[in-house]
Amino acid sequence: GAVVSQHPSWVICKSGTSVKIECRSLDFQATTMFWYRQFPKQSLMLMATSNEGSKATYEQGVEKDKFLINHASLTLSTLTVTSAHPEDSSFYICSASISLGEKLFFGSGTQLSVL
Amino acid sequence: RKEVEQDPGPFNVPEGATVAFNCTYSNSASQSFFWYRQDCRKEPKLLMSVYSSGNEDGRFTAQLNRASQYISLLIRDSKLSDSATYLCVVNTNAGKSTFGDGTTLTVKP
Repeated sequence: GAVVSQHPSWVICKSGTSVKIECRSLDFQATTMFWYRQFPKQSLMLMATSNEGSKATYEQGVEKDKFLINHASLTLSTLTVTSAHPEDSSFYICSASISLGEKLFFGSGTQLSVL
Repeated sequence: RKEVEQDPGPFNVPEGATVAFNCTYSNSASQSFFWYRQDCRKEPKLLMSVYSSGNEDGRFTAQLNRASQYISLLIRDSKLSDSATYLCVVNTNAGKSTFGDGTTLTVKP
């Protein structure tokens, strides 16, 4: 199956710093990638849809200036959590599909802990 | 009402038991359907796609009823390793994926 690589796997940072998370499709081109956040014992929450070559589409309630998304190529999308605070601590996961509407392949997730 | 609703669980069953999970969806334009499995602090992994004709993969059987907008997953002969959260995912052709909240299964010796 298709492979999506995400790193880092975990990050511990001080409050106020910015953290960049990378998501790569290794063996296919992904025009669209998705970013999610998951708090303990809760379901995945879609944050935004990342579109190659254009602006990301953010879900309601997600601050676009807080969570910067860049999808500069067909195989790479990045999520930057700017000026992270403890309440941003969460599990962040990306996904992509070979074609829209088809099954998703997920990155391995990034556990962010902000002190 | 949520777009995708799953049995809240949790399900606690002994090894060897048969367990069934249900999922309903509200968007009649939904086109593709999947069951994913997620282990604690790991990414979801595709368990199986779901088709109207029903499909089986070993101990796992998935069914789709488009008229009732209902999806099911049946696990036979449960193993300890089946313990996980099972996510129902519904896609539209526009590429939007909607996740259920997941149903947690614990299989005990």
